Amino acid sequence: GQNIDQPTEMTATEGAIVQINCTYQTSGFNGLFWYQQHAGEAPTFLSYNVLDGLEEKGRFSSFLSRSKGYSYLLLKELQMKDSASYLCAVRGGQAGTALIFGKGTTLSVSS
Amino acid sequence: DAGVIQSPRHEVTEMGQEVTLRCKPISGHDYLFWYRQTMMRGLELLIYFNNNVPIDDSGMPEDRFSAKMPNASFSTLKIQPSEPRDSAVYFCASSRIWAPDGNEQFFGPGTRLTVL
Repeated sequence: GQNIDQPTEMTATEGAIVQINCTYQTSGFNGLFWYQQHAGEAPTFLSYNVLDGLEEKGRFSSFLSRSKGYSYLLLKELQMKDSASYLCAVRGGQAGTALIFGKGTTLSVSS
Repeated sequence: DAGVIQSPRHEVTEMGQEVTLRCKPISGHDYLFWYRQTMMRGLELLIYFNNNVPIDDSGMPEDRFSAKMPNASFSTLKIQPSEPRDSAVYFCASSRIWAPDGNEQFFGPGTRLTVL
């Protein structure tokens, strides 16, 4: 079967660092994506990993270990506007282009 | 450059009625995806198209759901007849074949469907 697990909720304070973990078991693997979704809005792309290691983009970093079926999203210098749901998604499927999404981690940042 | 366009943004209908959701992908994108999002099940892929051809419709819940893509700039998702359990936010997304960031998908604003 196909399964993507991530924590349901996390809380943190402004200026802190938070790590959101994602584990996956899928029949195919052609990349892992992280999306951010604010309440009532569409998901927006944050990062993409296809090889093992760390990808850094400003305050956000994403890590992948294919052998462990594991990824994390690291958010530094948290701001109130980072309060959102963070979706982990694996690309698999018949033609290697469909995304399978986890249920998302709702992050609440407080002052 | 306009993003993915969806209409309507909100739809309230009664059980048994036909519902048609519309999507215009980003110009030049080769793939179009329809997703459904609920609190219980998260974001689920319903169907996706490559160059207007349906590739995988295994996520379509049942025969009441159908999707078409008559040309590269337009797609519809139809529910007939609608049921209360179809209430959800329906997203359309599009992507290119070759792109720097793993062919990231760009999502439309979604259609919030409520079936009474």
